[in-house]
Order: sequence, then C-alpha cells, then structure tokens
Amino acid sequence: QVQLRESGPGLVKPSETLSLTCSVSGVSVSSGAYFWGWVRQPPGKGLEWIGTVFYTGSAHYNPSLQSRATVSVDVSNNQFSLRLTSVTAADTAVYYCARRRSGRHYLDVWGKGTTVTVSS
Amino acid sequence: SYVLTQPPSVSVAPGEPASITCAGDNIGNRRVHWYQQKPGQAPVLVIYNDSDRPSGIPERFSGANSGNTATLTISRVEAGDEADYFCQVWDNPTDSVVFGAGTNLAGL
Repeated sequence: QVQLRESGPGLVKPSETLSLTCSVSGVSVSSGAYFWGWVRQPPGKGLEWIGTVFYTGSAHYNPSLQSRATVSVDVSNNQFSLRLTSVTAADTAVYYCARRRSGRHYLDVWGKGTTVTVSS
Repeated sequence: SYVLTQPPSVSVAPGEPASITCAGDNIGNRRVHWYQQKPGQAPVLVIYNDSDRPSGIPERFSGANSGNTATLTISRVEAGDEADYFCQVWDNPTDSVVFGAGTNLAGL
C-alpha cells in the first residue's frame, strides 16, 4: 500500500525558508510511472497546487509561486521535498504531498498533511 | 490561467440527489477530476477523467462533463457525504494543476 507522510517544522518565521519533506513508502520515487507534488490549503480556504517533480528532477510550478518554490526528489531516501523562500503570513497553510501518475492529470494518493504557521 | 467556478455551498436532504457544478471555458474539452475533503482530513479522489470512479468509491458518485460545465452527482446523499468537494483540471499551456474553490455539501 502506497503511503505518503509529510514532515517538517510547524512554525517558520517571516522572511525565512519553509522546508518540508514527504517520505514515500510502498513505491519507489524513482519509478518513471509517477510524478510527486505539493498542494497547500490556507485555513478555511481551498486547495492550491504548488509544484510537481519527476524522478529525473524535472519540475513544474504554479506560476504564482514559481519564483519562491523548489520541489526536489531524493531517490536514495525515497522522498521528495519542498522549499518555499521568503515566507509571509499568507503562506500559513496545511501542506499536502501527493502523487500523480505519469500520463494522468489527477492526484490519486495524498499524505495526511502538515500544518505550517508563519509567525514571529 | 484557467479558472474553475464552483458554488460555495449546496444543501440537500439525506436520501435525495445532489449535484455540484464546476464551470469553466469549454471545460468539456478537458478532463475533470473531483475530490472529497472531510474536516481535518486530506482530499480523496472520488471521480477522475470526468466520470470514472476509483476503487472503493460508491456507485452513488458519478460525473459528467460537457460544454462549459462539469457536474458531480451523488444519487442518494448520506450523512457521511457531507464534505467539501473540489473540481480539478490540467492546464496544458502552463503544465499546471488547477482547482476550483470548492463546494460545501451540507445536509438539510
């Protein structure tokens, strides 16, 4: 059974960098059958796609976050990561990692999510 | 970028059918996917490629897509169906995942 689990600091200071990791079990991130990505949800609001990475390191980003977001993959540890620079209170959200099958455009497996608060 | 419009809320009595719409410019030319999200939980895919159901999703859930509107239908709503529902498409020009703002399905 495929499982994704997010981890990282729950509190980040304004202007600093948010870093999260998604640990994957049940499937290899180096499988060419999948893409790996991040989605966030501010409190009381909807879902916002952040970006997606393939095992080769090729990534695509939400145009509104492209200048601040980096999604990368760590094949040796079977995980992938998100870095978001210069955070503000608007980046406070639940962050989910998720899987997309290659050739498909929906997210079929999600992590449970991790809450990140941006505050001094 | 491509915009998806959903009604903020839909109310329905238990046992009755519920329809949740997702509007977009010529959305019928795209494949639409639907997620259910219960409070405090991660989203769950309930419909993909307009009308296909993942394994484990009840047959009560169905989808359709034509023209400028996609629709998620729950044939007989149960209390456990009360949740937020989000539609989603792929935006080819930007290689982006696009979500609708979500619809809260509430019981009467």
